[in-house]
Amino acid sequence: LAKTTQPISMDSYEGQEVNITCSHNNIATNDYITWYQQFPSQGPRFIIQGYKTKVTNEVASLFIPADRKSSTLSLPRVSLSDTAVYYCLVVPHNAGNNRKLIWGLGTSLAVNP
Amino acid sequence: GAVVSQHPSRVICKSGTSVKIECRSLDFQATTMFWYRQFPKQSLMLMATSNEGSKATYEQGVEKDKFLINHASLTLSTLTVTSAHPEDSSFYICSAPQGGSGNTIYFGEGSWLTVV
Repeated sequence: LAKTTQPISMDSYEGQEVNITCSHNNIATNDYITWYQQFPSQGPRFIIQGYKTKVTNEVASLFIPADRKSSTLSLPRVSLSDTAVYYCLVVPHNAGNNRKLIWGLGTSLAVNP
Repeated sequence: GAVVSQHPSRVICKSGTSVKIECRSLDFQATTMFWYRQFPKQSLMLMATSNEGSKATYEQGVEKDKFLINHASLTLSTLTVTSAHPEDSSFYICSAPQGGSGNTIYFGEGSWLTVV
């Protein structure tokens, strides 16, 4: 299972775009990149997932370069409610239902007024 | 997206008693569910993999006789903390991968256990 590296913390202000980059140098061909958001005392919430290039949904965009050794989660125009811990994970695709994830410490994002 | 629900969200119990936490997949079937624990300001630590119809697989260092896991149906897994001690106080979270070829894993809301 591929390990990931991401900044421990980031600070931003309301209305700004926030980009969080994650390194996953030993990602395998069948791996997908997945980002989760976690608020205190809540379970992680799925944000976005991608394999290559760019993926966009209603809350975020995910940029993945051609070599797939890193990825960037982009949060447009953050608000105070986006203050949370963001986790980047690499998930094997089609590995049956037995998928274990390696969790790092994530990136603690603080959005200031 | 798929929904995974945990119950209770918070529980306080006395030392020496047992506590059961339920994890349900509400709109999909899950032959496998995962149980984690998380201490404040730390990451999630996998405790065990719950397998429907068979024994759970425990991670190294996790006592299987203390943390009993039962995956009785395709939508329900339970974690029972037996003979609870104050050091078992933690945030317990379950997750379930979406079935079929989907590889998105959804998490429950988590359950705070406080042992007094």
